[in-house]
Amino acid sequence: QSALTQPPSASGSPGQSVTISCTGTSSDIGAYDYVSWYQQHPGKAPKLMIYEVAKRPSGVPDRFSGSKSANTASLTVSGLQAEDEADYYCSSYSGTKHHVFGTGTKVTVL
Amino acid sequence: EVQLVESGGGLVQPGGSLRLSCAASGFGFGGNWMSWVRQAPGKGPEWVASIKEDGSEKYYADSVKGRFTISRDNARNSMYLQMNSLRVEDTALYHCATHRGRGFGYWGQGTLVTVSS
Repeated sequence: QSALTQPPSASGSPGQSVTISCTGTSSDIGAYDYVSWYQQHPGKAPKLMIYEVAKRPSGVPDRFSGSKSANTASLTVSGLQAEDEADYYCSSYSGTKHHVFGTGTKVTVL
Repeated sequence: EVQLVESGGGLVQPGGSLRLSCAASGFGFGGNWMSWVRQAPGKGPEWVASIKEDGSEKYYADSVKGRFTISRDNARNSMYLQMNSLRVEDTALYHCATHRGRGFGYWGQGTLVTVSS
């Protein structure tokens, strides 16, 4: 199972929006509405930000939103804040209880 | 508050074995699928294995199938990962994680496994 493809980096100024893509195949992202997004600060464990494509766990700001079209999922962070600077990873269910993660995107707040 | 605390990592030679443990608290452990997810230094996460609430179903990534065994003890609120025939490429921080919507809800801080001669 190959990793999902994400851009290595993305950036935006405070208050702006940034969108990160996550491209898979018809066997993972395209087949299931089970895409998740994680935020990881240096030295910390990943934190779930979005699950089932567009749902936010309690406590996650509504500045974070998710979507999916065909084999590509996206995470948008609106109203960028300094604390949003982190690595972001997507993951997708890929059938038979297997999961695949993305390559990761480093978001920089300029 | 959900807490997941991993232990059992360390330095091991190629071909060696280790047993990782995950102690869970703050939620209904016995009613949750659980997984191990690893992260090699400077890399993204990689799903390793998952186990059903009652331990009756277990699933593994192709990279570890036949070498790793996941298990759990609901009476002790604990999950385990027996790792045999370890390879250099198994070097990583191993996290235990709860499930949420076929993703991973809560993660522990991880335990470091280093495979080197």
